[in-house]
Amino acid sequence: QSALTQPPSASGSPGQSVTISCTGTSSDVGNYNYVSWYRHHPGKAPKLMIYEVNQRPFGVPARFSGSKSGNTASLTVSGLQAEDEADYYCSSFAGSFVVFGGGTKLTVL
Amino acid sequence: EVQLVESGGGLVQPGKSRRLSCVASGFTFNTYAMTWVRQAPGRGLEWVSGITSGGGITYYADSVKGRFTISRDNSKNTLYLEMSSLRTEDTAVYYCAQDLSFAVAGDLVSWGQGTLVTVSS
Repeated sequence: QSALTQPPSASGSPGQSVTISCTGTSSDVGNYNYVSWYRHHPGKAPKLMIYEVNQRPFGVPARFSGSKSGNTASLTVSGLQAEDEADYYCSSFAGSFVVFGGGTKLTVL
Repeated sequence: EVQLVESGGGLVQPGKSRRLSCVASGFTFNTYAMTWVRQAPGRGLEWVSGITSGGGITYYADSVKGRFTISRDNSKNTLYLEMSSLRTEDTAVYYCAQDLSFAVAGDLVSWGQGTLVTVSS
């Protein structure tokens, strides 16, 4: 049950786009379309931003998008806003368990 | 409005047991899978355990398998996590979360505010 691999940090200026990667294996990301992305502001509850690779829950703006190619999933945040500064985590179903990524701290410059 | 309220956290000695509870409201509890996720101080999110809507199938992370037991009482809209043989590395904020469907798939649409468990002598 190894954690998915995310870059520890990412950054962008307001209005720009940033993409965060999430690399797993053929046993998790590569085998299931149950990849989710969460935004987590410290001290608050995490928020689901993308589920099933590229689906947005009701209320999540369209500037959040997800994709997957092989064993790597990606989250793209377009039109960066100050409120997007947070920790972002990916997760994937792996058959008999779920695994999270190590998290990426997104800084809005 | 969906609400998930965890309780049961606190200071516990290594080797001891503790039960966490999560009371749900605002949705039809018995039709959704439920999950526990934790975050140790200064660390990332870690999936702990999940249970299907009817309670018939449970899943565990290797790090807690054999020590933790997830269960639910659909008549009380309550999710539980029974933790035994606690270790210092189990120190974390424990979140209760609602899955998007009856099955455990990791799509956690609603989360509680978390309860802190500190394992220390």
